[in-house]
Amino acid sequence: NAGVTQTPKFRILKIGQSMTLQCTQDMNHNYMYWYRQDPGMGLKLIYYSVGAGITDKGEVPNGYNVSRSTTEDFPLRLELAAPSQTSVYFCASTRDSQETQYFGPGTRLLVL
Amino acid sequence: AQKITQTQPGMFVQEKEAVTLDCTYDTSDQSYGLFWYKQPSSGEMIFLIYQGSYDEQNATEGRYSLNFQKARKSANLVISASQLGDSAMYFCAMRDDFEGRRALTFGSGTRLQVQP
Repeated sequence: NAGVTQTPKFRILKIGQSMTLQCTQDMNHNYMYWYRQDPGMGLKLIYYSVGAGITDKGEVPNGYNVSRSTTEDFPLRLELAAPSQTSVYFCASTRDSQETQYFGPGTRLLVL
Repeated sequence: AQKITQTQPGMFVQEKEAVTLDCTYDTSDQSYGLFWYKQPSSGEMIFLIYQGSYDEQNATEGRYSLNFQKARKSANLVISASQLGDSAMYFCAMRDDFEGRRALTFGSGTRLQVQP
């Protein structure tokens, strides 16, 4: 099992550009999450999904959008990149019978 | 709203000694879960240990144990026999069941440095 995979690993964006961060899990987990980690801080929840077709906002959703058309994939879209979105983005997943969240390796994003 | 507080930004410990990383939490829920994650310099999040609010015994996983004191709302991580590879950031987290989302709320972390 690959677990949770994220692409790209690192990206530099110019202000105003758009991009999609990809997240895929192969564990048939119904719950998926996007978190961001700013330097020296803990992780904060951006968006989450409790199953295909169902998404909702977390604590810091402004500037982002998500979709969940399949169980496996949960892409995060940045429409108009801003320097405040410079961060490390983690995707995670779990299911009802589990307590542990499994994290992807993260995507480091720099907006200049 | 749930809150996790880690009051130790950094800790030093000698190799082979034990160390305790502090975590206090605030919640009005009766059912909740507490987690510790390790983040080495390479950046990945590694799950260490879990404690459920109704678990009567403190959780243990190898050299890791969680000192759970429900009345004091604390969930401290104890690492026994520290190793150089334990040097990393450590995050305490609580499962948030708001609207069934099962998301995690994280503390700000403690940077542990193990000295030879």
